[in-house]
Amino acid sequence: KNQVEQSPQSLIILEGKNCTLQCNYTVSPFSNLRWYKQDTGRGPVSLTIMTFSENTKSNGRYTATLDADTKQSSLHITASQLSDSASYICVVSGPAGKSTFGDGTTLTVKP
Amino acid sequence: DVKVTQSSRYLVKRTGEKVFLECVQDMDHENMFWYRQDPGLGLRLIYFSYDVKMKEKGDIPEGYSVSREKKERFSLILESASTNQTSMYLCASMDRTNQPQHFGDGTRLSIL
Repeated sequence: KNQVEQSPQSLIILEGKNCTLQCNYTVSPFSNLRWYKQDTGRGPVSLTIMTFSENTKSNGRYTATLDADTKQSSLHITASQLSDSASYICVVSGPAGKSTFGDGTTLTVKP
Repeated sequence: DVKVTQSSRYLVKRTGEKVFLECVQDMDHENMFWYRQDPGLGLRLIYFSYDVKMKEKGDIPEGYSVSREKKERFSLILESASTNQTSMYLCASMDRTNQPQHFGDGTRLSIL
């Protein structure tokens, strides 16, 4: 069964600190892995998308890594800001476009 | 910028009613999706459509139907609403594989 596991479930950090969110998956075959940010009361917004041949991709202070051999991805947030408080969702898709969503990590950034 | 617009942010309906949720995208995307999002369960796919008048069942289609008469519009229909369909409903569109999905802001539906 295709699964996407995210950890930790929730995280609290101080403004200005860095953090790393984890995503492990069993989806096979693999087409791409996406990270989304979802603010409270809003729809998810795409941060990064990586295919099999890519092992790192950045979007401003967000850097995603992918190890397709171990089926692991991480999202690193640098110099966190209050506006980074949100849920971060990892999504893995197969070639037919079917996506499996993780349950998300809820990040709270405190001043 | 891609814009996906869902017709209502909040909706309250009664058990047994027929409920229509509307979604419109402005980027001529082929693919459109309906999800529901519940705490602890993540996003679950209800239906998707890869072309006008085409539809495919997702993981949890029971109790729902969809309509795609025009490329830009994808409607989700609750034939006879039940309390277990109280949820956040998210619509998304996507150009093609290996591109991100673009989501609307969701409709929070309560069935009383």
